[in-house]
Amino acid sequence: DAGVIQSPRHEVTEMGQEVTLRCKPISGHDYLFWYRQTMMRGLELLIYFNNNVPIDDSGMPEDRFSAKMPNASFSTLKIQPSEPRDSAVYFCASSLGQYLETQYFGPGTRLLVL
Amino acid sequence: GQNIDQPTEMTATEGAIVQINCTYQTSGFNGLFWYQQHAGEAPTFLSYNVLDGLEEKGRFSSFLSRSKGYSYLLLKELQMKDSASYLCAVRLYGNKLVFGAGTILRVKS
Repeated sequence: DAGVIQSPRHEVTEMGQEVTLRCKPISGHDYLFWYRQTMMRGLELLIYFNNNVPIDDSGMPEDRFSAKMPNASFSTLKIQPSEPRDSAVYFCASSLGQYLETQYFGPGTRLLVL
Repeated sequence: GQNIDQPTEMTATEGAIVQINCTYQTSGFNGLFWYQQHAGEAPTFLSYNVLDGLEEKGRFSSFLSRSKGYSYLLLKELQMKDSASYLCAVRLYGNKLVFGAGTILRVKS
């Protein structure tokens, strides 16, 4: 199994630019999660999907952030416009079913906004 | 809000036993998870508890007391490779996990 795949692994951009992060979940998993990790705030859930439908986006910080899941094997997290405070590691995770199923994390995208 | 507390850092000696505590006060509870995260890497699943008691998995064990809002992760026969951050996470309603800030464990020889 290839695991959760994220791209790019590193991204450096300038303030005001659009950033798109990509994720391919583990095949067959029907839950997909986007997290952000910083030293100050730790690991925070931004949004999660079930069967491609957003279930809880209460962690999305503001309107500059948007996430989509057009099919079972692909999701994007977009930041437009980006700001320096968005600098963080963004993880995508996926899981099977709901109850008692662990989440498997991708390697993360390290985003630096200058 | 959700409150999950863990010690910030711990240091232990190779071969020893260490216990990492986690206390929580959350609006819901559907299980408690422990993840390990090495520096610069993604979190990886260690264990979960849904019912009270001890779950053992090789050198790692995890305990839960729901009435006390308390869990601990026990690591035995510590190895240098166990140096990492250990994250406690509570599953709320649905499939939402809320993570603690993590405990950085340093294993010294």
